[in-house]
Amino acid sequence: AQSVTQPDIHITVSEGASLELRCNYSYGATPYLFWYVQSPGQGLQLLLKYFSGDTLVQGIKGFEAEFKRSQSSFNLRKPSVHWSDAAEYFCAVAPSGNTGKLIFGQGTTLQVKP
Amino acid sequence: NAGVTQTPKFQVLKTGQSMTLQCAQDMNHNSMYWYRQDPGMGLRLIYYSASEGTTDKGEVPNGYNVSRLNKREFSLRLESAAPSQTSVYFCASSEGRGSGYTFGSGTRLTVV
Repeated sequence: AQSVTQPDIHITVSEGASLELRCNYSYGATPYLFWYVQSPGQGLQLLLKYFSGDTLVQGIKGFEAEFKRSQSSFNLRKPSVHWSDAAEYFCAVAPSGNTGKLIFGQGTTLQVKP
Repeated sequence: NAGVTQTPKFQVLKTGQSMTLQCAQDMNHNSMYWYRQDPGMGLRLIYYSASEGTTDKGEVPNGYNVSRLNKREFSLRLESAAPSQTSVYFCASSEGRGSGYTFGSGTRLTVV
């Protein structure tokens, strides 16, 4: 069965430091992969997505993610974190077919220290 | 503003009461979804509608029913609420597999 794992439940980084959030998926075919961000009390907002082509994808708010098929990973990165990046981040995979269903990871909560 | 609108934003129910969560989108998307979010469990799919006139069960459908009223609206009904249904509920819509979702702002439901 398809699944998504975010190994880190909670991460704390200092403002200005670099960030990497990990995501591993279990899926046989070429996956459609997504990263979402959820600010407290809000809905989820799409940061970026990948389904083909260049394995390094750029998203909004200065985020990028790299697809590595050999490692079944789709890690999210940002070179310099801002206090406003504190939020919960979700990785998701779309299984085959065109229903558009997404399977979400458990989420990683990012805390930013001043 | 274009997007997904959910009502209500907050609700407290007593065990055994029923209610309907409403969701409407104005982006002409074919597919709509209901998820619940619980701490440490991410988002779990309750029901989805791939197109107008169709609905299918997701990962956690027990205790819920849905209606795809038309292309814009997709409602979620709790017939007899239970404390285990205390959660934050999100509605989302999508054009298809590669497009990702647009989410509503959520309904925080407490069942006492």
